Amino acid sequence: AQTVTQSQPEMSVQEAETVTLSCTYDTSESDYYLFWYKQPPSRQMILVIRQEAYKQQNATENRFSVNFQKAAKSFSLKISDSQLGDAAMYFCAYRSIGGSQGNLIFGKGTKLSVKP
Amino acid sequence: GAVVSQHPSRVICKSGTSVKIECRSLDFQATTMFWYRQFPKQSLMLMATSNEGSKATYEQGVEKDKFLINHASLTLSTLTVTSAHPEDSSFYICSATSFGASNQPQHFGDGTRLSIL
Repeated sequence: AQTVTQSQPEMSVQEAETVTLSCTYDTSESDYYLFWYKQPPSRQMILVIRQEAYKQQNATENRFSVNFQKAAKSFSLKISDSQLGDAAMYFCAYRSIGGSQGNLIFGKGTKLSVKP
Repeated sequence: GAVVSQHPSRVICKSGTSVKIECRSLDFQATTMFWYRQFPKQSLMLMATSNEGSKATYEQGVEKDKFLINHASLTLSTLTVTSAHPEDSSFYICSATSFGASNQPQHFGDGTRLSIL
C-alpha cells in the first residue's frame, strides 16, 4: 500500500520570503501522480500543483514549484514570494495510474502561517 | 473549470437522526465519486468510492450500513449517515471525476460540517 508522509506539522514564513514544504511517499509503482492541495480555513480543497511521475521536469505554477526526486521518493513544494493568502493547510497527495479507482492518498498536512 | 456542488454545507441535528449529504457535478459527468471524512486538524481519510450505477466500495473500517452511498446518476451521489451519533460529527467532503478515474483530475465539493448533539 502507498503512504504519504509530511514531516512538518507546522511551518512559518515571512511575507515575500520563500518556504519549502516537505513530502515523501512510499510506493512500489513506477507511474503515478503527485499533488499538492491547499485547504484554507474555509476548508475548500484547492489544487495547487500536479506532477506526473514519468515526467522528469519539475512542475511549476506561478509562485509554486516542486522538487520531484523520484529515486528518493520526495516531492517538496516551494512557495516563492509568500503572500498572506498562502496561509493554509497544505496536503501532499498520491494517486495511482491505471485501474478504475483513482482515489487520492493524503499526507497529514502542514499548516503554513505567513507573517506580515 | 469543473464544478462540484456539495449540500448542505452545515448540519446540526439530534442524535439518532439520519442525515443525507448530496454531491453534484454541475458541468461534467462524474463516473466516479469519492467520499472523505476529515476530523479537526487531521487529514482527509477516504471512506468509500462510488461508481455510477454500481455499489460503493468501502474502505476498511467504514460501516457500509452506517454510511449509505448512492450514485444513481452521472451527476449525483449521496451519502446518508444513518442514526447519527456524536462520534459521527466530522467534516465530510466529496470529490468527483470522470471517465478513466485515475487519469482525470478530481474536483472537490466545499464539504459538509456535520454536528450531532
